Amino acid sequence: DAGVIQSPRHEVTEMGQEVTLRCKPISGHDYLFWYRQTMMRGLELLIYFNNNVPIDDSGMPEDRFSAKMPNASFSTLKIQPSEPRDSAVYFCASSPARATRIGEQFFGPGTRLTVL
Amino acid sequence: AQSVSQHNHHVILSEAASLELGCNYSYGGTVNLFWYVQYPGQHLQLLLKYFSGDPLVKGIKGFEAEFIKSKFSFNLRKPSVQWSDTAEYFCAVRPGTASKLTFGTGTRLQVTL
Repeated sequence: DAGVIQSPRHEVTEMGQEVTLRCKPISGHDYLFWYRQTMMRGLELLIYFNNNVPIDDSGMPEDRFSAKMPNASFSTLKIQPSEPRDSAVYFCASSPARATRIGEQFFGPGTRLTVL
Repeated sequence: AQSVSQHNHHVILSEAASLELGCNYSYGGTVNLFWYVQYPGQHLQLLLKYFSGDPLVKGIKGFEAEFIKSKFSFNLRKPSVQWSDTAEYFCAVRPGTASKLTFGTGTRLQVTL
């Protein structure tokens, strides 16, 4: 398996622009997580899905952030409009649902977002 | 709310030194525990995990961790570190039947030659 795939790997945009981050989880995994990592706040869980359904979005910073998972193999995280404080590395992770492996998350390479 | 504390933010060791990174959590019920590692410029990878049974768990690359329930701790150890162990280490807890993890703030390990 190719692992979790994220695109783009790097994104530089100007304040006010819309940004869309993409993630393809590992096939067969039932859970998908979006995280944000910054020096100041560390690793923060933004939202996660189970079987394509959003379960907990309490970590989404504000209404400018939205996430979708239209099918089992694709998810997007959108920021509109983007602001400089959104600059961070955004990770997607997926996890199987089997009881003995819940919590064992497989992370993608991340998208480094810079908002100027 | 449950929390995970990693008290060592930055650790510097010489090669061959022994390593112990602390991790404490605040959840009182059943937990699953994890250590993840993030090498410079890379994504997080699972180092080891505890679900049940023997509280001393062994992971990849010679790492091990011990679950001490009475102390709410899950410390990471390695008898002799290598320069290639330079990375950031994250402790994570999955309380009860939750589907998500709570991560600590991470410990940056720097191993010098």
